[in-house]
Amino acid sequence: GESVGLHLPTLSVQEGDNSIINCAYSNSASDYFIWYKQESGKGPQFIIDIRSNMDKRQGQRVTVLLNKTVKHLSLQIAATQPGDSAVYFCAEALTGGFKTIFGAGTRLFVKA
Amino acid sequence: NAGVTQTPKFRVLKTGQSMTLLCAQDMNHEYMYWYRQDPGMGLRLIHYSVGEGTTAKGEVPDGYNVSRLKKQNFLLGLESAAPSQTSVYFCASSYLGQGLSEQYFGPGTRLTVT
Repeated sequence: GESVGLHLPTLSVQEGDNSIINCAYSNSASDYFIWYKQESGKGPQFIIDIRSNMDKRQGQRVTVLLNKTVKHLSLQIAATQPGDSAVYFCAEALTGGFKTIFGAGTRLFVKA
Repeated sequence: NAGVTQTPKFRVLKTGQSMTLLCAQDMNHEYMYWYRQDPGMGLRLIHYSVGEGTTAKGEVPDGYNVSRLKKQNFLLGLESAAPSQTSVYFCASSYLGQGLSEQYFGPGTRLTVT
């Protein structure tokens, strides 16, 4: 969901552990959800998406879970690696709608 | 494929100066977008285009203009820069419209207005 805070939430994990990043989205009518990864000084990069007719989708080392009842989205990263260190943010959209709403993100630190 | 490219990467302007940011994509995408990213906030849509020759206002369009004369290019103009326009600007493109496919982002332009 949207955030107006100046400081991003931070998650610190040990290399090899699993990471779970959470996101609360704002519009109950949204039917398309995306997770992006943004490394320092770079543009956002697509990770995985899910549509509202699903509650789970898996990619390579990543899983997205969608709970429409409480408007909650999570990204699970398995066996987290130092290269996973970045800001992760979720986005929600309504098919054919006006815009995509981006969350401010969570900063993931991976300790070697 | 280069994907989405943006020029310049950095720029410093004085209040009142003008400039144009260029975005180019080589993926033959119909949809293109300009966003700004400010500390602690999500990306906010400035203007977007659903095809060559079309543009539309986004969430925060004031102080900006855009043009999409060619399908692969989307230009963002600041006619009279203000300190409030200090931000990182991202261009994006997508094959389908909102809610139908992911967006591909450029590397960003960091603009400082003094």
